[in-house]
Amino acid sequence: DSGVTQTPKHLITATGQRVTLRCSPRSGDLSVYWYQQSLDQGLQFLIHYYNGEERAKGNILERFSAQQFPDLHSELNLSSLELGDSALYFCASSVVRVSYNEQFFGPGTRLTVL
Amino acid sequence: DQQVKQNSPSLSVQEGRISILNCDYTNSMFDYFLWYKKYPAEGPTFLISISSIKDKNEDGRFTVFLNKSAKHLSLHIVPSQPGDSAVYFCAASADSGYALNFGKGTSLLVTP
Repeated sequence: DSGVTQTPKHLITATGQRVTLRCSPRSGDLSVYWYQQSLDQGLQFLIHYYNGEERAKGNILERFSAQQFPDLHSELNLSSLELGDSALYFCASSVVRVSYNEQFFGPGTRLTVL
Repeated sequence: DQQVKQNSPSLSVQEGRISILNCDYTNSMFDYFLWYKKYPAEGPTFLISISSIKDKNEDGRFTVFLNKSAKHLSLHIVPSQPGDSAVYFCAASADSGYALNFGKGTSLLVTP
């Protein structure tokens, strides 16, 4: 158990809908990262938050947004969903923003868009 | 574009032998490299890392080698055990603490 929790574990929805994925980092970790793993793909970095502030963006679509709350949990919002958004979404956390620290991953949320 | 490449999608090794997983990268700005292990229905688990100022890092049965001139790293598992069967991801970072760039993974099967 990495200490990172993600809910829900599975999510099935229809095209055009909006969903919210939730992540709680390990206790004491200030950084939260979101990654997407599509079929046959490695993990693609989406966005990084540090202590409530957005720090870096990767291959995140404009239909997607995220935030990190004062209690450090984070939410990833996906809107106008398309079939291609079906993927595993992982959240990871680490202690500090700039340090050689490994990231600890949650179990992921499997999103299926029908 | 894929900046971290794991060209072997799968690898099968006998229990007790050495497993060697390879990874190549293209971005010369990468300065920190990690290996993650992933079981089905679980998130990736950190295994071992290496900074670009080193060429080798060892942790028990796991050793990572870095060849900066060749932009290549490898993970050695000795001896391999059936419980090592999982997907192994190589990852790299250009500025520590930020985004990790992952390869597509190598599925390792250790047979008894």
